[in-house]
Amino acid sequence: SQQGEEDPQALSIQEGENATMNCSYKTSINNLQWYRQNSGRGLVHLILIRSNEREKHSGRLRVTLDTSKKSSSLLITASRAADTASYFCATDTGGGNKLTFGTGTQLKVEL
Amino acid sequence: DGGITQSPKYLFRKEGQNVTLSCEQNLNHDAMYWYRQDPGQGLRLIYYSQIVNDFQKGDIAEGYSVSREKKESFPLTVTSAQKNPTAFYLCAVGVDANSPLHFGNGTRLTVT
Repeated sequence: SQQGEEDPQALSIQEGENATMNCSYKTSINNLQWYRQNSGRGLVHLILIRSNEREKHSGRLRVTLDTSKKSSSLLITASRAADTASYFCATDTGGGNKLTFGTGTQLKVEL
Repeated sequence: DGGITQSPKYLFRKEGQNVTLSCEQNLNHDAMYWYRQDPGQGLRLIYYSQIVNDFQKGDIAEGYSVSREKKESFPLTVTSAQKNPTAFYLCAVGVDANSPLHFGNGTRLTVT
């Protein structure tokens, strides 16, 4: 079952613009993670935010978490062509030591 | 990720044959996971193991089997019972689900 749903499914922006993608989930979580996947490759971990945190930063990445709305957002500032990839959220519901991934947002950053 | 090796990168099999995908890690982590990814889709959990000689079914375990005889290795067998085996298979390793997962580069399986 898909715990998380990303929105939008696809996003195309110009280099230098900001990119925002959203993740909604269904059940209570212990933490939420964001991953990036380049085409045909494995996923790379970007950032983890715990259920008692509201915002977290890492370089050009900013993640927010609203547990009351069961949603998270990933903001990439000053995007670069190299940011072109698919981005996934993943949640740990705490029951079984496993992560459930969303459907992903395909980001394309054009020069 | 240099610490996780999935082989082979591409695999072709005839329908009705079992096939085993390899996943080896040198990160010394206890937890290992197998995910399946279909084109344009998210990841779905097949099996996971938190410790040697123990593993649990994920969301789509039917038609798959695993073993965890060594900490470093978590092979996945795609059996002939799996109705739609053609997919991209990803192995991941972690301390636990409260920590980041490290992924291999995947095996793309094509069954014809």
